[in-house]
Amino acid sequence: DVKVTQSSRYLVKRTGEKVFLECVQDMDHENMFWYRQDPGLGLRLIYFSYDVKMKEKGDIPEGYSVSREKKERFSLILESASTNQTSMYLCAISPGTDHTDTQYFGPGTRLTVL
Amino acid sequence: ELKVEQNPLFLSMQEGKNYTIYCNYSTTSDRLYWYRQDPGKSLESLFVLLSNGAVKQEGRLMASLDTKARLSTLHITAAVHDLSATYFCAVIIQGAQKLVFGQGTRLTINP
Repeated sequence: DVKVTQSSRYLVKRTGEKVFLECVQDMDHENMFWYRQDPGLGLRLIYFSYDVKMKEKGDIPEGYSVSREKKERFSLILESASTNQTSMYLCAISPGTDHTDTQYFGPGTRLTVL
Repeated sequence: ELKVEQNPLFLSMQEGKNYTIYCNYSTTSDRLYWYRQDPGKSLESLFVLLSNGAVKQEGRLMASLDTKARLSTLHITAAVHDLSATYFCAVIIQGAQKLVFGQGTRLTINP
Protein backbone atom coordinates (compact mmCIF):
# COMPACT_ATOMS: atom_id res chain seq x y z
CA ASP A 1 0.00 0.00 0.00
CA VAL A 2 1.10 3.53 -0.80
CA LYS A 3 1.83 5.42 2.39
CA VAL A 4 1.85 9.22 2.51
CA THR A 5 1.84 10.88 5.91
CA GLN A 6 1.41 14.50 6.86
CA SER A 7 2.75 15.96 10.07
CA SER A 8 -0.55 17.23 11.50
CA ARG A 9 -4.24 16.64 10.81
CA TYR A 10 -5.27 19.96 12.36
CA LEU A 11 -3.24 23.09 12.94
CA VAL A 12 -4.16 26.52 14.32
CA LYS A 13 -1.76 29.41 13.83
CA ARG A 14 -1.80 33.17 14.19
CA THR A 15 -1.40 35.74 11.44
CA GLY A 16 2.27 36.42 10.75
CA GLU A 17 3.57 33.13 12.10
CA LYS A 18 5.88 30.95 10.05
CA VAL A 19 4.22 27.61 9.41
CA PHE A 20 5.78 24.32 8.33
CA LEU A 21 3.72 21.49 6.87
CA GLU A 22 5.56 18.27 6.30
CA CYS A 23 4.87 15.35 3.98
CA VAL A 24 6.68 12.03 4.19
CA GLN A 25 6.42 9.05 1.83
CA ASP A 26 7.74 5.53 2.10
CA MET A 27 7.42 4.60 -1.58
CA ASP A 28 10.65 6.02 -3.02
CA HIS A 29 8.59 8.02 -5.57
CA GLU A 30 10.24 10.84 -7.48
CA ASN A 31 7.34 13.26 -7.65
CA MET A 32 5.76 15.08 -4.75
CA PHE A 33 3.04 17.74 -4.80
CA TRP A 34 1.35 20.22 -2.49
CA TYR A 35 -2.27 21.24 -3.10
CA ARG A 36 -4.76 23.30 -1.25
CA GLN A 37 -8.43 22.43 -1.28
CA ASP A 38 -11.17 25.01 -0.86
CA PRO A 39 -14.94 24.51 -1.20
CA GLY A 40 -16.15 25.02 -4.76
CA LEU A 41 -12.62 25.36 -6.13
CA GLY A 42 -11.45 21.77 -6.14
CA LEU A 43 -7.73 21.21 -5.59
CA ARG A 44 -5.19 23.78 -6.71
CA LEU A 45 -1.51 23.02 -7.12
CA ILE A 46 0.87 25.13 -5.02
CA TYR A 47 4.28 23.58 -5.72
CA PHE A 48 5.70 20.29 -6.88
CA SER A 49 9.06 18.58 -7.00
CA TYR A 50 10.52 16.07 -9.45
CA ASP A 51 13.61 15.27 -7.44
CA VAL A 52 15.62 16.17 -4.39
CA LYS A 53 16.40 19.89 -4.23
CA MET A 54 14.23 20.54 -7.29
CA LYS A 55 10.98 22.47 -7.18
CA GLU A 56 8.51 23.93 -9.62
CA LYS A 57 5.80 26.49 -9.07
CA GLY A 58 2.24 25.36 -9.46
CA ASP A 59 -0.78 27.53 -10.11
CA ILE A 60 -0.90 29.41 -6.79
CA PRO A 61 2.63 29.65 -5.31
CA GLU A 62 2.32 33.15 -3.87
CA GLY A 63 2.87 33.23 -0.13
CA TYR A 64 4.37 29.73 -0.06
CA SER A 65 7.76 28.12 -0.43
CA VAL A 66 8.91 24.49 -0.36
CA SER A 67 11.90 22.41 0.58
CA ARG A 68 12.96 18.95 -0.52
CA GLU A 69 16.27 18.03 1.06
CA LYS A 70 15.60 14.29 1.08
CA LYS A 71 13.68 12.21 -1.43
CA GLU A 72 11.07 11.05 1.06
CA ARG A 73 10.26 14.44 2.57
CA PHE A 74 8.60 17.51 1.03
CA SER A 75 7.88 20.53 3.20
CA LEU A 76 5.49 23.39 2.54
CA ILE A 77 6.36 26.66 4.25
CA LEU A 78 4.10 29.62 4.86
CA GLU A 79 6.60 32.40 5.51
CA SER A 80 4.07 34.71 7.17
CA ALA A 81 0.68 33.09 7.56
CA SER A 82 -2.39 35.07 6.59
CA THR A 83 -6.09 34.39 7.14
CA ASN A 84 -6.63 33.71 3.44
CA GLN A 85 -4.32 30.71 3.78
CA THR A 86 -6.86 28.98 5.99
CA SER A 87 -7.51 25.82 4.02
CA MET A 88 -7.08 22.07 3.72
CA TYR A 89 -3.59 21.20 2.49
CA LEU A 90 -3.01 17.90 0.72
CA CYS A 91 0.28 16.28 -0.21
CA ALA A 92 0.46 13.81 -3.09
CA ILE A 93 3.10 11.57 -4.63
CA SER A 94 3.52 9.80 -7.96
CA PRO A 95 6.19 7.39 -9.16
CA GLY A 96 7.48 9.26 -12.21
CA THR A 97 8.13 5.94 -13.90
CA ASP A 98 4.56 4.66 -13.94
CA HIS A 99 2.87 5.44 -17.26
CA THR A 100 -0.42 6.12 -15.52
CA ASP A 101 1.07 8.93 -13.38
CA THR A 102 -1.57 8.29 -10.76
CA GLN A 103 -1.14 10.55 -7.76
CA TYR A 104 -1.65 9.19 -4.25
CA PHE A 105 -2.73 11.54 -1.53
CA GLY A 106 -1.94 11.96 2.13
CA PRO A 107 -4.63 12.45 4.80
CA GLY A 108 -4.49 16.26 4.66
CA THR A 109 -3.80 19.04 7.14
CA ARG A 110 -6.59 21.44 7.99
CA LEU A 111 -4.91 24.76 8.74
CA THR A 112 -6.71 27.63 10.43
CA VAL A 113 -5.01 31.02 10.57
CA LEU A 114 -6.50 33.38 13.13
CA GLU B 1 -4.76 27.27 -19.73
CA LEU B 2 -6.38 23.94 -19.02
CA LYS B 3 -9.78 24.18 -17.34
CA VAL B 4 -11.78 21.28 -15.99
CA GLU B 5 -15.48 21.60 -15.23
CA GLN B 6 -17.76 19.12 -13.55
CA ASN B 7 -21.50 18.97 -13.78
CA PRO B 8 -23.47 18.87 -11.57
CA LEU B 9 -21.68 20.21 -8.50
CA PHE B 10 -24.31 18.83 -6.13
CA LEU B 11 -26.42 15.75 -6.65
CA SER B 12 -28.96 14.23 -4.32
CA MET B 13 -30.51 10.98 -5.39
CA GLN B 14 -32.38 8.00 -4.08
CA GLU B 15 -31.00 4.54 -3.65
CA GLY B 16 -31.56 2.32 -6.65
CA LYS B 17 -31.48 5.13 -9.23
CA ASN B 18 -28.95 5.69 -12.00
CA TYR B 19 -27.14 8.92 -12.68
CA THR B 20 -24.16 10.39 -14.50
CA ILE B 21 -21.55 12.96 -13.54
CA TYR B 22 -19.92 14.85 -16.41
CA CYS B 23 -16.38 16.18 -16.66
CA ASN B 24 -15.43 18.55 -19.48
CA TYR B 25 -11.93 19.86 -20.10
CA SER B 26 -10.71 22.63 -22.33
CA THR B 27 -7.50 21.48 -24.05
CA THR B 28 -6.00 18.28 -25.38
CA SER B 29 -5.13 15.65 -22.84
CA ASP B 30 -4.90 11.90 -23.05
CA ARG B 31 -5.19 10.96 -19.42
CA LEU B 32 -8.06 11.51 -17.05
CA TYR B 33 -8.48 10.48 -13.44
CA TRP B 34 -11.43 10.04 -11.15
CA TYR B 35 -11.05 10.34 -7.38
CA ARG B 36 -13.40 9.86 -4.47
CA GLN B 37 -13.28 11.86 -1.24
CA ASP B 38 -15.27 10.97 1.88
CA PRO B 39 -16.02 13.76 4.39
CA GLY B 40 -12.93 14.63 6.39
CA LYS B 41 -10.82 12.18 4.45
CA SER B 42 -8.27 12.36 1.68
CA LEU B 43 -8.66 11.52 -1.99
CA GLU B 44 -8.80 7.92 -3.12
CA SER B 45 -7.96 6.99 -6.71
CA LEU B 46 -10.87 5.33 -8.52
CA PHE B 47 -10.03 5.19 -12.22
CA VAL B 48 -7.33 6.15 -14.67
CA LEU B 49 -8.48 6.51 -18.29
CA LEU B 50 -5.58 6.46 -20.69
CA SER B 51 -7.00 6.63 -24.20
CA ASN B 52 -9.96 7.64 -26.31
CA GLY B 53 -12.86 5.26 -25.79
CA ALA B 54 -11.43 3.87 -22.55
CA VAL B 55 -14.01 2.44 -20.19
CA LYS B 56 -13.36 1.26 -16.66
CA GLN B 57 -15.82 -0.30 -14.23
CA GLU B 58 -15.67 -1.04 -10.53
CA GLY B 59 -18.83 -2.26 -8.87
CA ARG B 60 -21.63 0.25 -9.48
CA LEU B 61 -19.31 2.88 -10.96
CA MET B 62 -18.31 3.09 -14.60
CA ALA B 63 -16.09 5.75 -16.13
CA SER B 64 -15.53 6.52 -19.80
CA LEU B 65 -13.42 8.92 -21.82
CA ASP B 66 -14.04 10.65 -25.15
CA THR B 67 -10.90 12.64 -25.95
CA LYS B 68 -12.39 14.12 -29.12
CA ALA B 69 -15.28 15.63 -27.19
CA ARG B 70 -12.97 16.33 -24.22
CA LEU B 71 -15.52 14.67 -22.01
CA SER B 72 -15.50 11.99 -19.36
CA THR B 73 -18.49 10.52 -17.59
CA LEU B 74 -18.84 8.72 -14.29
CA HIS B 75 -21.99 6.63 -14.31
CA ILE B 76 -23.58 5.32 -11.14
CA THR B 77 -25.83 2.29 -11.46
CA ALA B 78 -28.45 1.41 -8.85
CA ALA B 79 -26.94 3.78 -6.30
CA VAL B 80 -26.41 2.71 -2.70
CA HIS B 81 -25.85 4.91 0.34
CA ASP B 82 -22.17 3.90 0.60
CA LEU B 83 -21.44 5.75 -2.61
CA SER B 84 -22.21 9.10 -0.96
CA ALA B 85 -19.00 11.14 -1.33
CA THR B 86 -17.44 13.94 -3.35
CA TYR B 87 -16.12 12.86 -6.73
CA PHE B 88 -13.37 14.71 -8.54
CA CYS B 89 -12.12 14.36 -12.07
CA ALA B 90 -8.62 15.54 -12.95
CA VAL B 91 -6.78 15.90 -16.23
CA ILE B 92 -3.04 15.78 -16.76
CA ILE B 93 -1.30 18.53 -18.69
CA GLN B 94 0.42 16.93 -21.67
CA GLY B 95 4.17 16.81 -21.31
CA ALA B 96 4.00 17.53 -17.60
CA GLN B 97 3.13 15.71 -14.42
CA LYS B 98 0.66 18.36 -13.35
CA LEU B 99 -2.98 17.55 -12.67
CA VAL B 100 -5.79 20.05 -13.01
CA PHE B 101 -8.87 19.20 -10.95
CA GLY B 102 -12.52 19.87 -11.45
CA GLN B 103 -14.52 21.53 -8.69
CA GLY B 104 -15.87 18.22 -7.41
CA THR B 105 -19.40 16.77 -7.37
CA ARG B 106 -20.91 16.20 -3.96
CA LEU B 107 -23.11 13.15 -4.24
CA THR B 108 -25.67 12.33 -1.55
CA ILE B 109 -27.61 9.09 -1.81
CA ASN B 110 -30.68 8.87 0.37
CA PRO B 111 -31.97 5.53 1.64
